[in-house]
Amino acid sequence: DAGVTQSPTHLIKTRGQQVTLRCSPKSGHDTVSWYQQALGQGPQFIFQYYEEEERQRGNFPDRFSGHQFPNYSSELNVNALLLGDSALYLCASSLVFSGELFFGEGSRLTVL
Amino acid sequence: GQQVMQIPQYQHVQEGEDFTTYCNSSTTLSNIQWYKQRPGGHPVFLIQLVKSGEVKKQKRLTFQFGEAKKNSSLHITATQTTDVGTYFCAGPKNTGNQFYFGTGTSLTVIP
Repeated sequence: DAGVTQSPTHLIKTRGQQVTLRCSPKSGHDTVSWYQQALGQGPQFIFQYYEEEERQRGNFPDRFSGHQFPNYSSELNVNALLLGDSALYLCASSLVFSGELFFGEGSRLTVL
Repeated sequence: GQQVMQIPQYQHVQEGEDFTTYCNSSTTLSNIQWYKQRPGGHPVFLIQLVKSGEVKKQKRLTFQFGEAKKNSSLHITATQTTDVGTYFCAGPKNTGNQFYFGTGTSLTVIP
């Protein structure tokens, strides 16, 4: 039973570019949440997808957008990258009525 | 807005000593979760507490939820080097399962 998988694991972009990160949830899970974790900080909630719709959103600008597909996988898109977007981006899957979050290994984004 | 703070930020202990981290929320929480993140790893779910005053144990780990459901603690008895990592508490926003993570406590265990 595969856990949460994310790709790519590492990537380097320059300011102003756009990036897409991908996540496949744990088998049987229907909800995907995305978190940003800066170095030495706790994960910050970006948004959550359920039934292919954004259900909840944290305090992140519109440059951050996402999508959930019929197979429950998800993408996180960030436009007009800033240096401050450099972080570990974590995907967490869960069941909609269960709070336990299963995290992937993360995608480490460096913006130069 | 809702904030979840943890103290201490860092803790160094000798192997065999006990360790405690405290989590405080600015608002009442419907439940609280604890996660462990090893260096270079991702957060791993440890436990969820729901009831006021609830205490749960997992081997050497004891978790407690405050009576007012605004604070929680994690206590590790007789730390081992395998306990190294950052411990986060996380509380949900309102009734959803959007979780606010605490600032974390980084534990170093000296052999």
